[in-house]
Amino acid sequence: QVQLQESGPGLVKPSQTLSLTCTVSGGSISSGGYYWSWIRQHPGKGLEWIGYIYYGGSTYFNSSLKSRITISIDTSKNQFSLNLSSVTAADTAVYYCARVGGYYESGKIDYWGQGTLVTVSS
Amino acid sequence: SYVLTQPPSVSVAPGKTARITCGGNIVGIKTVHWYQQKPGQAPVLVIYYDSDRPSGIPERFSGSNSGNTATLTISRVEAGDEADYYCQVWDNTGDHPVIFGGGTKLTVL
Repeated sequence: QVQLQESGPGLVKPSQTLSLTCTVSGGSISSGGYYWSWIRQHPGKGLEWIGYIYYGGSTYFNSSLKSRITISIDTSKNQFSLNLSSVTAADTAVYYCARVGGYYESGKIDYWGQGTLVTVSS
Repeated sequence: SYVLTQPPSVSVAPGKTARITCGGNIVGIKTVHWYQQKPGQAPVLVIYYDSDRPSGIPERFSGSNSGNTATLTISRVEAGDEADYYCQVWDNTGDHPVIFGGGTKLTVL
């Protein structure tokens, strides 16, 4: 059973960088066929895909956030991370990490972290 | 990028059938997944590949996809089915591959 767990600060100041890490257990992040993803949900709103990374390092980002996003992967620690720079109050949201199936799974998201609330405030 | 449209809300009485739609341009040629999200919890996959159910999801949940509309059907609705439901497709040909519908709040009367 794959499990994902987000970690990182719950409060970030405006203009600073939001940094989160997702630790994967119960399976290898290096197994092919999956994209390791970040998804967020603004309070009371729907789901917004942020971006994902393949174990080989290829990344894909939401075009509306692309200029501010970095996603990296550490296969030795079975972790992947999100950096979102120049944050504003509009980046306040619950951030989820998740596993997205690739071509043979048509993008099915079968495992999610529990989510972590990040508030942007001075 | 591709757009999926869901009704904001659907209401149904206990024991009845709820149908939640997900509209998109020729969505029938895409593969649709559905997620249930209860307050304060992460989404849970309830239907994948248009109509398949993960283990542990009741048979009351079913899905279909044709033309411009995908549909999540919940039969014999229970109070515990009250939640937000999201449809999702994967379009790996574009620059925004993971696409969610806006979500539908299912209220059990």
